[in-house]
Amino acid sequence: NAGVMQNPRHLVRRRGQEARLRCSPMKGHSHVYWYRQLPEEGLKFMVYLQKENIIDESGMPKERFSAEFPKEGPSILRIQQVVRGDSAAYFCASSPEPYTSTDTQYFGPGTRLTVL
Amino acid sequence: AQTVTQSQPEMSVQEAETVTLSCTYDTSESDYYLFWYKQPPSRQMILVIRQEAYKQQNATENRFSVNFQKAAKSFSLKISDSQLGDAAMYFCAYRSARDSNYQLIWGAGTKLIIKP
Repeated sequence: NAGVMQNPRHLVRRRGQEARLRCSPMKGHSHVYWYRQLPEEGLKFMVYLQKENIIDESGMPKERFSAEFPKEGPSILRIQQVVRGDSAAYFCASSPEPYTSTDTQYFGPGTRLTVL
Repeated sequence: AQTVTQSQPEMSVQEAETVTLSCTYDTSESDYYLFWYKQPPSRQMILVIRQEAYKQQNATENRFSVNFQKAAKSFSLKISDSQLGDAAMYFCAYRSARDSNYQLIWGAGTKLIIKP
């Protein structure tokens, strides 16, 4: 059973460009979470999605950031007009159901975004 | 709001010995989950162990065990017979058991160094 897949693993962008980060959840998981990790810090929640629905985006910056989880295909975290402060590791996690005793979130390997 | 504190930025232990990593948290809730995740140099976030707050028995997973003190809001991780492969950043995380709150709240991490 493949784990959570994220690509690319490393992404370099120049200021003002767009960054697209992809996440394929574990098989059988329909809930996806995105977290951001700044250097020397723990992870910070960004957004929680189910198929075709954004459930909670309270941790997402109001501008330039968006996320989707279409009916078919991976979840996408999109950052428009990147700035140096967006440089971080972005982790995706998935779970089968969030409200059960077995709702542990399993993480992908992360995408390390570097903005030049 | 809930917070998680890891007061040890770095710990070191001799190979084959035992080490304990500290974690405290603050919450007004009575039902929640606690986790320890390991992040090796590969940056992959790996679940080490999980504890449900309603369970009095401390969770164990092979060489990893926790000391869960609910009244003290303490959740320490004990690693027995330390191995070189245990070297990593260790993060403590909290999640509410309320249906509407599924975000993982993270500590800042403890870097564990294993001395051969």
